[in-house]
Amino acid sequence: DAKTTQPNSMESNEEEPVHLPCNHSTISGTDYIHWYRQLPSQGPEYVIHGLTSNVNNRMASLAIAEDRKSSTLILHRATLRDAAVYYCILRDNNNAGKSTFGDGTTLTVKP
Amino acid sequence: DVKVTQSSRYLVKRTGEKVFLECVQDMDHENMFWYRQDPGLGLRLIYFSYDVKMKEKGDIPEGYSVSREKKERFSLILESASTNQTSMYLCASSFEYPYEQYFGPGTRLTVT
Repeated sequence: DAKTTQPNSMESNEEEPVHLPCNHSTISGTDYIHWYRQLPSQGPEYVIHGLTSNVNNRMASLAIAEDRKSSTLILHRATLRDAAVYYCILRDNNNAGKSTFGDGTTLTVKP
Repeated sequence: DVKVTQSSRYLVKRTGEKVFLECVQDMDHENMFWYRQDPGLGLRLIYFSYDVKMKEKGDIPEGYSVSREKKERFSLILESASTNQTSMYLCASSFEYPYEQYFGPGTRLTVT
């Protein structure tokens, strides 16, 4: 199974942009890149997903490298409520259940 | 507002007991999932279901079984609970690929 690698932790100042990296060098052609985040004492929450092109939604932007071996989740202006664990996962187009959550990146936002 | 609910937030059971964890979604999703989450191990898939009465094993199915008799409900069963099944259990649902998963709040199960 294709796996992802993320830094264990990152820090940001409030109202500054945050770039959360993810490496997925063994990604296959049918894998979508999904990002979730988990706030303390809650279940994970969907953030964004993409295949090849960069994607934007109201929560974040996803920048995908041209070779698809890495991606970056961009929070344009971090708030204290963005402090969470961020997971980058690969979802196999041919198998809904075949995806692996790694340890994620713990984002700390400083006021 | 989309919703995935789980029957309990906290549960304490004794070793050897049969345990049922219930999950209900109100979004008419085809897919439903059960994960467990442990410190340092992330979220690990136990079972998932892509249709009523259909199920597939995830990464760690040993010691668990599941039941999906109705589209909206997916149950996780611990036939004989053991202390190493103490964990946070998370249920999720989604439409057909590649749509996003919606997670419930989790059930923290302690087996003593």
